[in-house]
Amino acid sequence: EVQLVESGGDLVQPGESLRLSCVASGFHFYNFAISWVRRAPGKGLEWVASVSDKGDYTYYADSVRGRFSISRDNSWNTVSLQLNSLRAEDTAMYYCARVVYESGCNSEDYWGQGTLVAVSS
Amino acid sequence: QPVLTQPPSASASLGASVTLTCTLNSDYRNYKVDWYQQRPGKGPLFLMRVGTGGMVGSKGVAVPDRFSVLGSGPNRYLTINNIQEGDESDFHCATDHGTWPNFVRVFGGGTKLTVL
Repeated sequence: EVQLVESGGDLVQPGESLRLSCVASGFHFYNFAISWVRRAPGKGLEWVASVSDKGDYTYYADSVRGRFSISRDNSWNTVSLQLNSLRAEDTAMYYCARVVYESGCNSEDYWGQGTLVAVSS
Repeated sequence: QPVLTQPPSASASLGASVTLTCTLNSDYRNYKVDWYQQRPGKGPLFLMRVGTGGMVGSKGVAVPDRFSVLGSGPNRYLTINNIQEGDESDFHCATDHGTWPNFVRVFGGGTKLTVL
């Protein structure tokens, strides 16, 4: 069974940092890209970042580029998201998701249950 | 880059049918779109992918036959037949554009489906 479990969410103050983790199981982790997607209260989903299967390519939304960093460790089936210089607008549930490339599309086919990041003074 | 527009809300009665719409901006009218269902307090579930010719690829795991898609022009439709209480969810559409280093993944604003 494919599973993705996020952790690391917390309540922090503006300007602080946080590191989120996603542990995967039930599939050949090293064969798949992984994405982080967030959902702020009352809003829709927002893509945050993606990392390629080998970790050699990373992609970021404009809203987080330069502040967030995505990485992976295929030995431990783990993807991390480092969140720096956090702002109130980063408050959201953060999901990690497995990405499958099919029919010319990069689609998130399995998702975790999310970890909550709250940024407030 | 692509922009996806979804109405914020929709409603349907138990046992009825409803069609949700996701609209691409004109320059990207031929793009494929993924549909997701998100029940309250849960992570999203992949439903299926749709292009101008209809469903592309396979449905997500355990997606009922009651769920189907169509594409026409810039619109990508998700139809749910014989609506159940458990279908009350937020429905999101998504697409992507470009390659490294200019890759971007875009989601619509989501539609909240209320079952009456």
